[in-house]
Amino acid sequence: KAGVTQTPRYLIKTRGQQVTLSCSPISGHRSVSWYQQTPGQGLQFLFEYFSETQRNKGNFPGRFSGRQFSNSRSEMNVSTLELGDSALYLCASSLGSSPLHFGNGTRLTVT
Amino acid sequence: GESVGLHLPTLSVQEGDNSIINCAYSNSASDYFIWYKQESGKGPQFIIDIRSNMDKRQGQRVTVLLNKTVKHLSLQIAATQPGDSAVYFCAENNRDDKIIFGKGTRLHILP
Repeated sequence: KAGVTQTPRYLIKTRGQQVTLSCSPISGHRSVSWYQQTPGQGLQFLFEYFSETQRNKGNFPGRFSGRQFSNSRSEMNVSTLELGDSALYLCASSLGSSPLHFGNGTRLTVT
Repeated sequence: GESVGLHLPTLSVQEGDNSIINCAYSNSASDYFIWYKQESGKGPQFIIDIRSNMDKRQGQRVTVLLNKTVKHLSLQIAATQPGDSAVYFCAENNRDDKIIFGKGTRLHILP
């Protein structure tokens, strides 16, 4: 069974731009969560989607948004990028109350 | 508040010895705890989990201990191997169904 797939693997953007990251969950998993990982703050919860609805949200500004499609694939968008948005963005999927299964992330660098 | 922390940021262990990684959590309402391992360039990988109605759970070479009285979680790795080198995260699932991660402990294996 294929794992969680995130694209692209690396991304370089400039301040003020916007970016869209993609995540394909494990087949059959309907819950998708997004995390931001930085050396200083560790893994911080962004949001969780289930059946195309945002079920939970972390403490990030409105520039961070996401969505989930009917096939459970998810995208997250960051608008008006800031230098501090440079991070590894991780997507995880789960089935019911099972543990999160993570992808290898998208490394975003904002210059 | 919702915070999960680590007692030690870096742990160095001789190959073949047992490793113990500690974690403190603050939310007494959390009912599910998970340990993840993250190798360089990869996303976190599930190791073992434990529910709050248990105080010990064993896997292959790993044991998780939960002490709800002092809100402490530990991961024990038996006969530590070079492949165990990674950053280890504890995480808690609070009653709001958010998975909150600790900052992580880097496990360094000495030859």
